[in-house]
Amino acid sequence: AQSVTQLGSHVSVSEGALVLLRCNYSSSVPPYLFWYVQYPNQGLQLLLKYTTGATLVKGINGFEAEFKKSETSFHLTKPSAHMSDAAEYFCAVSDAVTGGGNKLTFGTGTQLKVEL
Amino acid sequence: EAGVVQSPRYKIIEKKQPVAFWCNPISGHNTLYWYRQNLGQGPELLIRYENEEAVDDSQLPKDRFSAERLKGVDSTLKIQPAELGDPAVYLCASSPPQGNGSPLHFGNGTRLTVT
Repeated sequence: AQSVTQLGSHVSVSEGALVLLRCNYSSSVPPYLFWYVQYPNQGLQLLLKYTTGATLVKGINGFEAEFKKSETSFHLTKPSAHMSDAAEYFCAVSDAVTGGGNKLTFGTGTQLKVEL
Repeated sequence: EAGVVQSPRYKIIEKKQPVAFWCNPISGHNTLYWYRQNLGQGPELLIRYENEEAVDDSQLPKDRFSAERLKGVDSTLKIQPAELGDPAVYLCASSPPQGNGSPLHFGNGTRLTVT
């Protein structure tokens, strides 16, 4: 079974500083990888995804992630944090399933705090 | 496009009572998922539908949980009876018929409290 490990359940950065949220995956096949963001009392919103092709993936709100097969990692970064980035971030890996659709396995999440 | 719609947003019930959650997926999305998200955790899959067929319900506690997706559109998730261990956010998601790379689109969830 595929799995995801997110290192650091809480990350705190200053406004304007680099954001780095770590994600390592375990997969027996080439994975599809996703980052989602969840604001309080809301559902999950897709930030970006990696399927095939370019290993550096750009998403919404200035976030990007790099797929590194040799390190089995898919870390999320943003050059300059904004107060509005404070939220919980989830990394997910897709299990191959028949008949279409996805079976996403999520990590336990990283709560990002942005301080003035 | 309209997003995934879930209702109610919040539900408070007493232990042993039944409860139901409703989901309307994005139009054209034939795959529908129910996830449960416990406090401080990532979502965990309960059941996945392809049209009206439940193709993966291996994680659904079938002694008290049930789901249906009549006509392959809206879906209902039921708990009967609710227990003190059931409080969580129940998330519905849908995805288009485009294979394994398709992202899931989530609703805002239903937060269940059991007293």
